[in-house]
Amino acid sequence: DAKTTQPPSMDCAEGRAANLPCNHSTISGNEYVYWYRQIHSQGPQYIIHGLKNNETNEMASLIITEDRKSSTLILPHATLRDTAVYYCIVREGGTSYGKLTFGQGTILTVHP
Amino acid sequence: NAGVTQTPKFRVLKTGQSMTLLCAQDMNHEYMYWYRQDPGMGLRLIHYSVGEGTTAKGEVPDGYNVSRLKKQNFLLGLESAAPSQTSVYFCASKAYREVTEAFFGQGTRLTVV
Repeated sequence: DAKTTQPPSMDCAEGRAANLPCNHSTISGNEYVYWYRQIHSQGPQYIIHGLKNNETNEMASLIITEDRKSSTLILPHATLRDTAVYYCIVREGGTSYGKLTFGQGTILTVHP
Repeated sequence: NAGVTQTPKFRVLKTGQSMTLLCAQDMNHEYMYWYRQDPGMGLRLIHYSVGEGTTAKGEVPDGYNVSRLKKQNFLLGLESAAPSQTSVYFCASKAYREVTEAFFGQGTRLTVV
């Protein structure tokens, strides 16, 4: 699975958009980009995933560059409850057992 | 719908004691996983199961055993607990390998003294 690089921490004002970057320069053609988050003391929570097209759901938007070497997770209107560690994960869609490799992630702090 | 439930939520063990962590899911998922999370290490896969009656080793299986006798339950056993097994343990499940979303439990905080 391709390795990802994320900034260790970011800040965002409540109500503003939070844009979390992820570099995955060694991604291969059949690897998907996933985002999970972990709020303090809770289990990780799925946010969104994509292959090469931009994706949007009720939680966030995922923007993947045309060369697929980087992506950005966008929380359009961050709230205090969005304070969490955000993990960008890249893996093959049909991996035999669906293992998720979690790196260190980005600690997002949303402040009033 | 409870999702993924882990029992217990907290436990303190003495070195050498044994215990079993229970993970139960009510979503009829095929795949189940046990991870551990340590400070600065991220989540690491201990064991996983791709269906009832099957188990396989992950990245850090030593000192742990697992069983999947029923589809909805995945048990993680520590036969002789060591201080190095102090960690937060998370169970996860997903419907089948092509489905991307994994659901995680709330974790079990285990301390071995």
